[in-house]
Amino acid sequence: SQQGEEDPQALSIQEGENATMNCSYKTSINNLQWYRQNSGRGLVHLILIRSNEREKHSGRLRVTLDTSKKSSSLLITASRAADTASYFCAANAGGTSYGKLTFGQGTILTVHP
Amino acid sequence: DTGVSQDPRHKITKRGQNVTFRCDPISEHNRLYWYRQTLGQGPEFLTYFQNEAQLEKSRLLSDRFSAERPKGSFSTLEIQRTEQGDSAMYLCASSTSLAGGYSYNEQFFGPGTRLTVL
Repeated sequence: SQQGEEDPQALSIQEGENATMNCSYKTSINNLQWYRQNSGRGLVHLILIRSNEREKHSGRLRVTLDTSKKSSSLLITASRAADTASYFCAANAGGTSYGKLTFGQGTILTVHP
Repeated sequence: DTGVSQDPRHKITKRGQNVTFRCDPISEHNRLYWYRQTLGQGPEFLTYFQNEAQLEKSRLLSDRFSAERPKGSFSTLEIQRTEQGDSAMYLCASSTSLAGGYSYNEQFFGPGTRLTVL
């Protein structure tokens, strides 16, 4: 079963705007990861945030993690048409879960030129 | 190309036939994962290997499914007596392990094998 939910399910913005996607998960985690998937293509890892971190940056990406609320958000700043894709959060419970990822249902982001 | 590769990329089969997929992970990665993704959903975990040992299997993996990683390098996923509900994208991923064993890195995914069962 899916770990949690992502919000919104779909997001449509203009190029240059910021895009924020939220993710909730159900169990304790070792880390939380965000992935991008372009139409018909494989998953590409974007960023990983560990359970003892609260915020992480990578280029135009900013991820926050609130373990007390079991939630994370991904912010893409100054979006580009090439950012159009599905974005998934994936929770890694660690320990005896052996590193398996439990994915959300994803947010479909469309960036209009 | 030193990424994760999967073969075939597409497979069309008739209900009741057996199919086998192959995954070649990134060479230095000791962990290998199989996931299944249906349209409009996120990937769902199927099974996991550390080296040649299969350490976890999802309840999604019925007894018609079997996975192997005989020498700790490539892996195969076989589905016997396929059903229409098996139609999905089958994704393979690999990762390294850090010292200490319980810290997990990002996973690198292959392009997937799209299975269509008629």
